[in-house]
Amino acid sequence: GENVEQHPSTLSVQEGDSAVIKCTYSDSASNYFPWYKQELGKRPQLIIDIRSNVGEKKDQRIAVTLNKTAKHFSLHITETQPEDSAVYFCAASSGTDKLIFGTGTRLQVFP
Amino acid sequence: GAVVSQHPSWVICKSGTSVKIECRSLDFQATTMFWYRQFPKQSLMLMATSNEGSKATYEQGVEKDKFLINHASLTLSTLTVTSAHPEDSSFYICSASGLGYNEQFFGPGTRLTVL
Repeated sequence: GENVEQHPSTLSVQEGDSAVIKCTYSDSASNYFPWYKQELGKRPQLIIDIRSNVGEKKDQRIAVTLNKTAKHFSLHITETQPEDSAVYFCAASSGTDKLIFGTGTRLQVFP
Repeated sequence: GAVVSQHPSWVICKSGTSVKIECRSLDFQATTMFWYRQFPKQSLMLMATSNEGSKATYEQGVEKDKFLINHASLTLSTLTVTSAHPEDSSFYICSASGLGYNEQFFGPGTRLTVL
C-alpha cells in the first residue's frame, strides 16, 4: 500500500523567513496530494492541494511543487508569520479517495 | 463550502462501556466517509472507509468487531467503540467526500477518554 514520508518533523524559523516541508510517496498511482494545517485539538484544514497533471501550484504565500518522477512533493511557505505556527501534514491519494498522511511537521515561527 | 459535523466533541466513559460517535455531512451527500484516529503528537491514521449502504472497509490492524461503523444514509455515519479500554483513548476524526473529486472534508473531531 501507499506510504508517505515527511521531513522534517520539526522546523523553527524566524518571522519573515521561508519554510519548506518535503514529502515522498511510494505508490506511483497516487494522483492527488493535499497539504493540511492542524492546530492543537482542531480538525485538519486544507491549505493547498495539487493533482498529478500539474507540477506547481501557488496561493499567495503558499506553494506546492510535485515531482512525479522522483515521487516527492513539497510545501513552501514564504514570509512566514507567527500565526503560521502549527502542525502541517502532507497526504497522498491514489484515486480510491483514501488519503494516507505523512507523519507531520511542527512549524514554529518566532517573532 | 462543505460542512461536516461530529458529535459529541468530547466524551469520557468507563472501561468496558461502548461509545457512539456521529459524523454528519450538513450540506452535501457524502458517498464515502472515512474514520481516523489520532494519538497525541502523531499523525492521522485511517481506520476505515465506509460507503453508504455497504459494509465498511477496515485498514489492516483495526478490529472491525471493536470499531463498528455504520453508514446508513448519505449524510450520516457512526462509529461505535465497543468495550472501550484506556488504550482506546484518542482523538477520532471523520471526513466525508462525494463532491466529485478527491477532496475530503473533515469533522471537528471527538476526544474520547476511557477511564
